[in-house]
Amino acid sequence: KQEVTQIPAALSVPEGENLVLNCSFTDSAIYNLQWFRQDPGKGLTSLLLIQSSQREQTSGRLNASLDKSSGRSTLYIAASQPGDSATYLCAGLAGANSKLTFGKGITLSVRP
Amino acid sequence: GAGVSQSPSNKVTEKGKDVELRCDPISGHTALYWYRQSLGQGLEFLIYFQGNSAPDKSGLPSDRFSAERTGGSVSTLTIQRTQQEDSAVYLCASSLAGDRGYTFGSGTRLTVV
Repeated sequence: KQEVTQIPAALSVPEGENLVLNCSFTDSAIYNLQWFRQDPGKGLTSLLLIQSSQREQTSGRLNASLDKSSGRSTLYIAASQPGDSATYLCAGLAGANSKLTFGKGITLSVRP
Repeated sequence: GAGVSQSPSNKVTEKGKDVELRCDPISGHTALYWYRQSLGQGLEFLIYFQGNSAPDKSGLPSDRFSAERTGGSVSTLTIQRTQQEDSAVYLCASSLAGDRGYTFGSGTRLTVV
């Protein structure tokens, strides 16, 4: 059974800092991995999807990587801004017709 | 539609009543998923549809919960005889195919009083 862990549960950084959010999963047979952002009281917004044949994806100030052999994914946020404050969730897919298994998320606060 | 639409956005119901939550997926998305997010908890998988069939119902917490999907499109999640522990945000997602990524709706916040 796939389990996804995100540590720490919360993180506070000053504006402008580059930061890395970590995600680990127990089953290295992960098919793809997706990072989401959730603002308070809102649904999930997809940030980056790393498909089975890929190792990383980039969008603007965000870069996500996936290392299946070590069971880890990282989300890198460059030059953080107060608007980046949100909860970031990673989720792994065990197979093409499987379901996403989510970590509990990291709540990020970027201080002006 | 342009995104996944869920209705109602908020629902307050009395304990013991039945509720229906609706999800309109993105047009053409064959896969549809229901998740539940309780206060301070992670996302809990409920059920997965591929077309109109549900190959994975393993997350439904009890027989009070059921879901259907018709025409390969709209899905309804029904909770019978609601209990206070059913209070949560119910999220729906759809996907063109599992490996193409999920798109989530904004959710239905259910409060059982």
